[in-house]
Amino acid sequence: QVQLVQSGAEVRKPGSSVKVSCKASGGSFRAFSISWLRQAPGQGLVWMGQINPGFGSPIYAQRFQGRLTISADESTSTVLMELNSLRSEDTAIYYCADSSPGFDPWGQGAQVTVSS
Amino acid sequence: DIQMTQSPSSLSASVGDRVTITCRASQSIRFSLNWYQQKPGKAPKLLIYAASSLQIGVPSRFSGSGSGTDFTLTISSLQPEDFATFYCQQSYAYPRTFGHGTKVEI
Repeated sequence: QVQLVQSGAEVRKPGSSVKVSCKASGGSFRAFSISWLRQAPGQGLVWMGQINPGFGSPIYAQRFQGRLTISADESTSTVLMELNSLRSEDTAIYYCADSSPGFDPWGQGAQVTVSS
Repeated sequence: DIQMTQSPSSLSASVGDRVTITCRASQSIRFSLNWYQQKPGKAPKLLIYAASSLQIGVPSRFSGSGSGTDFTLTISSLQPEDFATFYCQQSYAYPRTFGHGTKVEI
């Protein structure tokens, strides 16, 4: 059974960066297609980008292009999401999810708070 | 980007009611439509994929239909555990996009 476990909550100052990890288990890491999504307080779901560890380059939503980096470490079956130049509007719960075809399963979420 | 429009944004219902939520895409997405349920403080849960396929473990009172631009999620008989927010999402094109959600309340 596929399981995704994320790293914990983070607090960052505006202008800094944050890294959130997502460790996959229960399946072949190369077969995963891991997306990152976020949900601001009281708001809906936003897809940020995706990586297929087995092949190809990451795909990013245009709105995050230039600030977002998604990478995969096959040795630890971990996908990493790094968001730079943080602003208060980036305060949200960040989720990873396998995407084939719908998003399932999901990680437990990681709260990222951006505050001075 | 493909815009997903859900209606209604919220609804009040009672246990046992039949509930229907609609989702419209700004262009044809064929059958590439997924539905999720989210409860407060929890990650979303996939209910329906490819417009009408029930995810394993999801009760059969949930069903999905539609194709092209118009889709429907139906709960045949609302149960107490179904009160939540429901989202549609298209997996036809990048970026993947979601509807704004429908909150089902008592």
